[in-house]
Amino acid sequence: DAGVTQSPTHLIKTRGQQVTLRCSPISGHKSVSWYQQVLGQGPQFIFQYYEKEERGRGNFPDRFSARQFPNYSSELNVNALLLGDSALYLCASSLGASSTDTQYFGPGTRLTVL
Amino acid sequence: KQEVTQIPAALSVPEGENLVLNCSFTDSAIYNLQWFRQDPGKGLTSLLLIQSSQREQTSGRLNASLDKSSGRSTLYIAASQPGDSATYLCAVMGSGGGADGLTFGKGTHLIIQP
Repeated sequence: DAGVTQSPTHLIKTRGQQVTLRCSPISGHKSVSWYQQVLGQGPQFIFQYYEKEERGRGNFPDRFSARQFPNYSSELNVNALLLGDSALYLCASSLGASSTDTQYFGPGTRLTVL
Repeated sequence: KQEVTQIPAALSVPEGENLVLNCSFTDSAIYNLQWFRQDPGKGLTSLLLIQSSQREQTSGRLNASLDKSSGRSTLYIAASQPGDSATYLCAVMGSGGGADGLTFGKGTHLIIQP
């Protein structure tokens, strides 16, 4: 069975541009979460989506937005990119939104902002 | 606000040694604690998940313990191998469940010398 997949693998953008990152959860999983991992730090929670609705949001500015589609895949959008947005963006899927559901992470998208 | 600390930040040991990685968290009101492994530039691989009602979990050469009241967890790796070299991350899920996401430590960078 395929795990969590993310695209693209790497991305280079310039300041002020907009970017869209994509995530496909494990088949049967209905919840997707997004995390940002800056070099040398642990991942930081950005969003959780369950059944196409936003269930939680971390401490990130409104430049970050996301959505979940009927097939449970998800997109993360970042507008007006800053140098500090350079990071590994990780997507995680779980069966549901319960605290007992293990989150399975994808390989990430490496975003570089120049 | 939940804070997760991992000690040591880096560790280098000869192959074959048993070792312990430490994780502490400030808010004991957690649902679960999870240990992950991350290889350079890659996503996260879940190693062990301990629910708040459990004391420990074991998988092969790995054993994780949880003392919720004192806000501590340890990951014990027996008979270490060079393939165990990676960054190990500890993460807790707080009382808000998945909607609050996982709170991660900065990780312990482990090198096993052949």
